Amino acid sequence: GEDVEQSLFLSVREGDSSVINCTYTDSSSTYLYWYKQEPGAGLQLLTYIFSNMDMKQDQRLTVLLNKKDKHLSLRIADTQTGDSAIYFCAAKNAGNMLTFGGGTRLMVKP
Amino acid sequence: KAGVTQTPRYLIKTRGQQVTLSCSPISGHRSVSWYQQTPGQGLQFLFEYFSETQRNKGNFPGRFSGRQFSNSRSEMNVSTLELGDSALYLCASSMRSTGGAHNEQFFGPGTRLTVL
Repeated sequence: GEDVEQSLFLSVREGDSSVINCTYTDSSSTYLYWYKQEPGAGLQLLTYIFSNMDMKQDQRLTVLLNKKDKHLSLRIADTQTGDSAIYFCAAKNAGNMLTFGGGTRLMVKP
Repeated sequence: KAGVTQTPRYLIKTRGQQVTLSCSPISGHRSVSWYQQTPGQGLQFLFEYFSETQRNKGNFPGRFSGRQFSNSRSEMNVSTLELGDSALYLCASSMRSTGGAHNEQFFGPGTRLTVL
């Protein structure tokens, strides 16, 4: 089955850019997603990218996809303290199943 | 538009008991998926229901089961609870498109189950 891996932790200063990385194993993954989870809450979809795209930008968020290396990244520009949360990447197969990474805890220091 | 609702939000049970969790999807959504989130295993897919039929199933024992009603509301049941079943159970609803098309899943806040 699919494996999705992320680093556990990232710490940045407010105003800096954050880059969260993710790798996946199934080359037939159709869509790749980034979700945000704040304490005590469910998952909020931030953005997604189709597998035939290289990049997608949405306001402060930039997603880069290297399909050859099966590497996905999420860049958050001008990171704010409100961005502190756990970020999950997920890969979708040809059905409707999502496989999630273990999550990256982003800490933003004032 | 109301979001995905899950009840109850918190639950405490003892080993050997059974539990039923409920999920009401967003109006018009016909697919409901369930996930288990634990610190050790992360987010794992349990199953997906669409039009009252189970469409996909994750790698969980038969103690975990679910169903979906004609109004798309879904329940999941865990029988003979074990300590390791303590987790946050999340459900997500979507309209469900065919094949590999984008099909955004909207998540509920989860039910936190503690097994003592």
